[in-house]
Amino acid sequence: NAGVMQNPRHLVRRRGQEARLRCSPMKGHSHVYWYRQLPEEGLKFMVYLQKENIIDESGMPKERFSAEFPKEGPSILRIQQVVRGDSAAYFCASSQTGTGDGYTFGSGTRLTVV
Amino acid sequence: GDSVTQMEGPVTLSEEAFLTINCTYTATGYPSLFWYVQYPGEGLQLLLKATKADDKGSNKGFEATYRKETTSFHLEKGSVQVSDSAVYFCAPLDKLIFGTGTRLQVFP
Repeated sequence: NAGVMQNPRHLVRRRGQEARLRCSPMKGHSHVYWYRQLPEEGLKFMVYLQKENIIDESGMPKERFSAEFPKEGPSILRIQQVVRGDSAAYFCASSQTGTGDGYTFGSGTRLTVV
Repeated sequence: GDSVTQMEGPVTLSEEAFLTINCTYTATGYPSLFWYVQYPGEGLQLLLKATKADDKGSNKGFEATYRKETTSFHLEKGSVQVSDSAVYFCAPLDKLIFGTGTRLQVFP
């Protein structure tokens, strides 16, 4: 029973390129959450998705960032035209019911924009 | 709005010392409360949880009691080890928010 799988583990992009981060939730989990962690800071909520639906995107920047969780395949967090300030660790978590049963986190994708 | 407040770190202790990391929250209703731990270079792992007032969550020697009257969920451990060095996050998870995290450093 693999946990939450995120890939790539490390991603380097030049300014202006696109970054695509993938998250496969635990088997049986249909709720996915994305968080961003800047160096030496806490986790900031970005977006909450269920299959084919965005439930809460209140933490997503209005521009350049998008997320999806298709019927088949992993959840994708997409960052267009990356800037240096996008450099951070991006964590994905999944849960079975989405209501207080705790999350299982992936190991994160560390994005570096050069 | 809903929020979580954790004591600022780093918390620096010697091995076998007593640990307390304070956490208070403001939320509508009484959500389940969680402590997560993040070891260097890794994602967060669930440490313990409490689902209602006066519940005590415990795991690996850590404990936290859900205090409705003080809206607190302080993390405690009687005797810390070097391997406990990590960042600890308090969270009322159905509110999708985390505290800022408290870094614990334990020295031999």
